Amino acid sequence: EVQLVESGGGLVQPGGSLRLSCAASGFTFSSYWMTWVRQAPGKGLEWVAIIKQDGSAKYYVDSVKGRFTISRDNAKSSLYLQITSLRAEDTALYYCAKGESGSGWSFDSWGRGTLVTVSS
Amino acid sequence: DIVMTQSPDSLAVSLGERATINCKSSQSVLSRSNNKNYLAWYQQRPGQPPKLLIYWASTRESGVPDRFSGGGSGTDFTLTVSNLQAEDVAVYYCQQYYGAPLTFGGGTKVEIK
Repeated sequence: EVQLVESGGGLVQPGGSLRLSCAASGFTFSSYWMTWVRQAPGKGLEWVAIIKQDGSAKYYVDSVKGRFTISRDNAKSSLYLQITSLRAEDTALYYCAKGESGSGWSFDSWGRGTLVTVSS
Repeated sequence: DIVMTQSPDSLAVSLGERATINCKSSQSVLSRSNNKNYLAWYQQRPGQPPKLLIYWASTRESGVPDRFSGGGSGTDFTLTVSNLQAEDVAVYYCQQYYGAPLTFGGGTKVEIK
């Protein structure tokens, strides 16, 4: 059974930093694109970033470019999101998700999310 | 960026009836190289993460009941939920994966009438 477990969220002041982690199990992690998607309280889904199987390609939504960095450690079956220069509008539940095997860029398994709250 | 527009924002349907959700993309998500539409549908029940229902616009994910069906091509797509059940109460999202940035529609909330 595929499992994705996010961690690392919390309350942080504007301008602060966090590192989110996603521990994966139940599948060959190194074979799939992986992504981060966030959801502000009471709002819709917003894609944040995606990383290729070997980490050689990464893409970001414009609003986080230069502030967020997606990475992965295939040996540890783990996905990461380093987030810096946090703003109030980054407050959201951050999900990690696994790329579907065919396209890679639709997502067939999701974690339950880790909450990031940016507030002074 | 490809903008995804869903309609309606919400709808109430009687048990056993049909719900139809529309999704329109600001540019075509149909690839001429493989003739596939890069469009997915997700269901998000209250307090739950999203669940993939449909990909390639009309391919049902394994384990998804056949009362869920996706259609359309190019820029106009639909998700149909036939024989609506109580457990189908959720927000439904479309997502294009034709290119980065990946984008979601704003969501359609389905309730029981």
